Amino acid sequence: SSELTQDPAVSVALGQTVRITCQGGSLRGFYPSWYQQKPGQAPVFVMYGKNNRPSGIPDRFSGSNSGSTASLTITGAQAEDEADYYCNSRDSSGKHVLFGGGTKLTVL
Amino acid sequence: EVQLVESGGGLVQPGGSLRITCAASGFTFSSYNMDWVRQAPGKGLEWLSYISSSSSTIYYADSVKGRLTISRDNAKNSLYLQMNSLRAEDTAVYYCARERLGNNYGLDVWGQGTTVTVSS
Repeated sequence: SSELTQDPAVSVALGQTVRITCQGGSLRGFYPSWYQQKPGQAPVFVMYGKNNRPSGIPDRFSGSNSGSTASLTITGAQAEDEADYYCNSRDSSGKHVLFGGGTKLTVL
Repeated sequence: EVQLVESGGGLVQPGGSLRITCAASGFTFSSYNMDWVRQAPGKGLEWLSYISSSSSTIYYADSVKGRLTISRDNAKNSLYLQMNSLRAEDTAVYYCARERLGNNYGLDVWGQGTTVTVSS
């Protein structure tokens, strides 16, 4: 598959749990990476592999994968988590890189 | 401090050319594969191109193949993107990004971006 599909927008109440999903055939057996992007800023790497957080990323962020759907879960969302989130992976050929369309997370 | 700094963006006329540069510091640049990614105004991220650490392998997105050329100079810790036959739809912020080492794919370091505007 040559696409990664994300819900355009998701909202969560402050302190609650939210799951952001990413669907795509290239995810079968593979884990995407996830990026957080706030307005006017470069993307920040927040998750990779089977639930691996880069240094400095809070442990309220976690990742999972089931079949062709991967998820980024934020447990106890904070106001500063409001941002756009993108998933990404290589495609099945390994010669191209895919990005999901992004999910705008609103923390209410 | 690990850092990527893009430069060379600006205003260019349709059909024109531009070369943008990404200067790396704080890490062994020659050990890392690198990518270019862009973001049009109000849009999502779009991958453009990949270059391996030794420049032996290069890939392009189908949407830009033939118009963009990626290259690097490991002696200068620099990554380049030559863009030709520019169109209005190439207007975007262009980011360079470092691929993490190891088995799991990810772009672990990003530059701040350089803005390219294609307009007459």
